[in-house]
Amino acid sequence: DGGITQSPKYLFRKEGQNVTLSCEQNLNHDAMYWYRQDPGQGLRLIYYSQIVNDFQKGDIAEGYSVSREKKESFPLTVTSAQKNPTAFYLCASSSGGSNQPQHFGDGTRLSIL
Amino acid sequence: AQKITQTQPGMFVQEKEAVTLDCTYDTSDPSYGLFWYKQPSSGEMIFLIYQGSYDQQNATEGRYSLNFQKARKSANLVISASQLGDSAMYFCAMRELWTNDYKLSFGAGTTVTVRA
Repeated sequence: DGGITQSPKYLFRKEGQNVTLSCEQNLNHDAMYWYRQDPGQGLRLIYYSQIVNDFQKGDIAEGYSVSREKKESFPLTVTSAQKNPTAFYLCASSSGGSNQPQHFGDGTRLSIL
Repeated sequence: AQKITQTQPGMFVQEKEAVTLDCTYDTSDPSYGLFWYKQPSSGEMIFLIYQGSYDQQNATEGRYSLNFQKARKSANLVISASQLGDSAMYFCAMRELWTNDYKLSFGAGTTVTVRA
C-alpha cells in the first residue's frame, strides 16, 4: 500500500542534542512538507520541498533543518537551537495538483528529557 | 494575519444528529481550494472533503458536505447522522493557487465530541 511512514513514533531529546525525524513516502509525490502541532492547536509549516535538492522555509523554520536528497525522503532535524521542541510533528506529501490533498504520516511525538 | 478562522473550540453533538463546523477564510487570490481534515486522538490527519473556489456546487462526500458561501468567505463542514467514531478534531485548511507551491494554511481546529 502506498503511504507515508514517519519514524520513530516517540522521540526524546536531551538538552543540547540534535535529533532527526524520518519521513518516507512511496506515493511518488513531488512535494513534501513538515508541520509542527502544539497541544490543542492547528498545524504550522516548518519546511517544504517541491523537488529534490530544493526546499523552502515555512512559517516557523528557526531551529530546524531539512534535506531532500531523494524524492522519497524528507528528514527533519530538530537542532539544539530550537528551545521549545516538545510537540507533535507531522510529515505530508502531495502530488501537486491544485485540488489534490496533502497526505499525512502518523506523526512523531518529541519530548524533552 | 490569520488566513483560516475556526471560532468553535469544541462542540458536543448527539449521536445520529447533524453538526456544522464553521470555517471562514481570508484571501485576495481568486483561485483557491479549501480542505477539511479529521484528526482522531491517535493523531493521524484524514482528508475528508475539498471545495474549489470556482466550483459551482457545494462539495459532498458521503456524510460530509460543505456549505460554501463564497461572498461571505465561509466553508462550513456539515457532518450528518453523527457517529461515535466522528469524535475527533476537525481542521479547515486553504491553498492559495497564486503561490504555486501547494502549501496549506490551517485553522486552529474544532473538537467534536459525539454523545451516545
